[in-house]
Amino acid sequence: DADVTQTPRNRITKTGKRIMLECSQTKGHDRMYWYRQDPGLGLRLIYYSFDVKDINKGEISDGYSVSRQAQAKFSLSLESAIPNQTALYFCATSGQGYQPQHFGDGTRLSIL
Amino acid sequence: AQSVTQLGSHVSVSEGALVLLRCNYSSSVPPYLFWYVQYPNQGLQLLLKYTSAATLVKGINGFEAEFKKSETSFHLTKPSAHMSDAAEYFCAVSQYSDMRFGAGTRLTVKP
Repeated sequence: DADVTQTPRNRITKTGKRIMLECSQTKGHDRMYWYRQDPGLGLRLIYYSFDVKDINKGEISDGYSVSRQAQAKFSLSLESAIPNQTALYFCATSGQGYQPQHFGDGTRLSIL
Repeated sequence: AQSVTQLGSHVSVSEGALVLLRCNYSSSVPPYLFWYVQYPNQGLQLLLKYTSAATLVKGINGFEAEFKKSETSFHLTKPSAHMSDAAEYFCAVSQYSDMRFGAGTRLTVKP
C-alpha cells in the first residue's frame, strides 16, 4: 500500500461546487502539506500543518481551506470551485526539520 | 526569500549521453537543497538532498549533484542517460518551514 494516499485520483466538477480532496498517510509523520502543480509553474504550496493543532497558509491559500482531522489525515477543500483551480493537487508529508517530503500520486481536478 | 530557478524547461539528450540539469538557488541562509523526479501520473520522488555534509551528493539511479556556494548552483548530472530517465525533474530549496520548488525541467531521452 502507498505511504501517502490521495482520494479521489481524478475529479471533474462544475463551477461553484464544493470539493474536498483527502489525504491519508501511514508514515507516522507530523508534517503534512498540500500543493498544486500547474505546467511551467512547478509546485506551489497551498497549506501546511506541523501537527494536528497547527495549520498555516502557504503561498496560494486564497479560495482553499484545510482540515487536519488526525495526525494521519489532512483534507483540502475548495468551498466554491472556479475554473482556474483546475490543476494537479499533491499531498506530501515529512518528518521534523529539513527532511525531504514524501508525495502522494496526486489528484487531477478539472472544474468546468 | 528563498527561491530556485531551473534553467531550461526542456532538455533532450541521446541515450548514453551526459545529462546536465541546471538549478540556481537564492537563500539568505545556508540552504537545504533537493532534487526530485516525477514520472507520468505519479507524485514526486526524492533523487538526492544536500544538507551541508558534503558538496558532492550522490543519489539514486546514478544521479549526482554538486553544491557550489560561489555560483549559488546545485546542478544535477548523470554520466550516461538511460531511456528510463525520461521524466520531469524538480529542484527545491528548504529554509525555515517550507520548501520552494523550481518550475521543473522535462528530460527527453532519444534512442
